[in-house]
Amino acid sequence: DAGVIQSPRHEVTEMGQEVTLRCKPISGHNSLFWYRQTMMRGLELLIYFNNNVPIDDSGMPEDRFSAKMPNASFSTLKIQPSEPRDSAVYFCASRPGTTNEQFFGPGTRLTVL
Amino acid sequence: AQSVTQPDIHITVSEGASLELRCNYSYGATPYLFWYVQSPGQGLQLLLKYFSGDTLVQGIKGFEAEFKRSQSSFNLRKPSVHWSDAAEYFCAVAPNRDDKIIFGKGTRLHILP
Repeated sequence: DAGVIQSPRHEVTEMGQEVTLRCKPISGHNSLFWYRQTMMRGLELLIYFNNNVPIDDSGMPEDRFSAKMPNASFSTLKIQPSEPRDSAVYFCASRPGTTNEQFFGPGTRLTVL
Repeated sequence: AQSVTQPDIHITVSEGASLELRCNYSYGATPYLFWYVQSPGQGLQLLLKYFSGDTLVQGIKGFEAEFKRSQSSFNLRKPSVHWSDAAEYFCAVAPNRDDKIIFGKGTRLHILP
């Protein structure tokens, strides 16, 4: 199994640009989570999906952030427009329906200049 | 609301010494408990988990954790650390199998040669 796949691994963009982060969960997993990690705030849950349906988006910082899961094998996290304070490592994790264990991807390091 | 406290932000131990990382949680019933490890530049990896049964749980890489209901604690231990154990360690809790996981702020472990 390839594990959770995230792309790109690194993204450098300028303030005001649109950024799209991508995630492919482990096949057969039915929950998907998006996290953001910074030195100041630690690991924050942004949103999670069960069976492609958003369950809890209370962690999404503001309207500039949006997430979609059009099918069981793909999810995106979009920031439009991006700001320097969005610079962070963004993790995607997936979870099978039989356990509460989450499997994390390698993360996308986002730098907004 | 559930919460997880890791009182030590940084811990430094000598290679070969024993290790204990502290974790306390706030939740009325017995939750699902986890320890994850994050090596530099990597995603989080599950070390061990506790759902029920034997309160001493064995994990990967020689780690173990003990659930103590009376103290609301789930401390992580290792009898002899190796330089490769230098990483950040996260304690986490979830109220049930289908709910989101709440992560602590993490403890960064430094190993002295």
